Amino acid sequence: AQSVTQLDSQVPVFEEAPVELRCNYSSSVSVYLFWYVQYPNQGLQLLLKYLSGSTLVKGINGFEAEFNKSQTSFHLRKPSVHISDTAEYFCAVIRTGGFKTIFGAGTRLFVKA
Amino acid sequence: DVKVTQSSRYLVKRTGEKVFLECVQDMDHENMFWYRQDPGLGLRLIYFSYDVKMKEKGDIPEGYSVSREKKERFSLILESASTNQTSMYLCASSLSPGQNFQETQYFGPGTRLLVL
Repeated sequence: AQSVTQLDSQVPVFEEAPVELRCNYSSSVSVYLFWYVQYPNQGLQLLLKYLSGSTLVKGINGFEAEFNKSQTSFHLRKPSVHISDTAEYFCAVIRTGGFKTIFGAGTRLFVKA
Repeated sequence: DVKVTQSSRYLVKRTGEKVFLECVQDMDHENMFWYRQDPGLGLRLIYFSYDVKMKEKGDIPEGYSVSREKKERFSLILESASTNQTSMYLCASSLSPGQNFQETQYFGPGTRLLVL
């Protein structure tokens, strides 16, 4: 079975600072990986996903993530955050050929002025 | 743009009531999902459907049922609401011909249900 661990429940950061949100997964088979973002009082929307190919994936709003198979990680990064990036971020995984997406518990990013 | 709408943003019900949560998507997506979101637990899959009248249990189906009579509409039913079903409920859809579930899921804004 797959599982997803988001290592930080909350990440406070100052505006224009870099940020990394960490995600580790466990799976005995190959997987697809996702990051979703949830702004206050909204549903989730896709930031980026890794299906195959280049391990560095670029998404919307300047975010990127790197798939590291040996470390079973898919950390999300942004070089300079804005106040508007304040949201909850979810890492998710689905095994190749599977039907169920497994979501992590979420990381709340607080961007302070 | 894909739009997924949910019938209510906020709902207050009493223990034992039958509760209907409705979800509609406008992009002819094959798959639809119901999740429950609780703090510290992320999203947990209740049920999903990959076609009209087809449904599969997720991780926490107990106390819930679903209905998909039309492709665009997926309903979640709480047969007899209990206080431990107080939560945020999120509906999602994805375009997955051939049941390729790695496609992006598009989420509705959620229904916050309080059961008293």
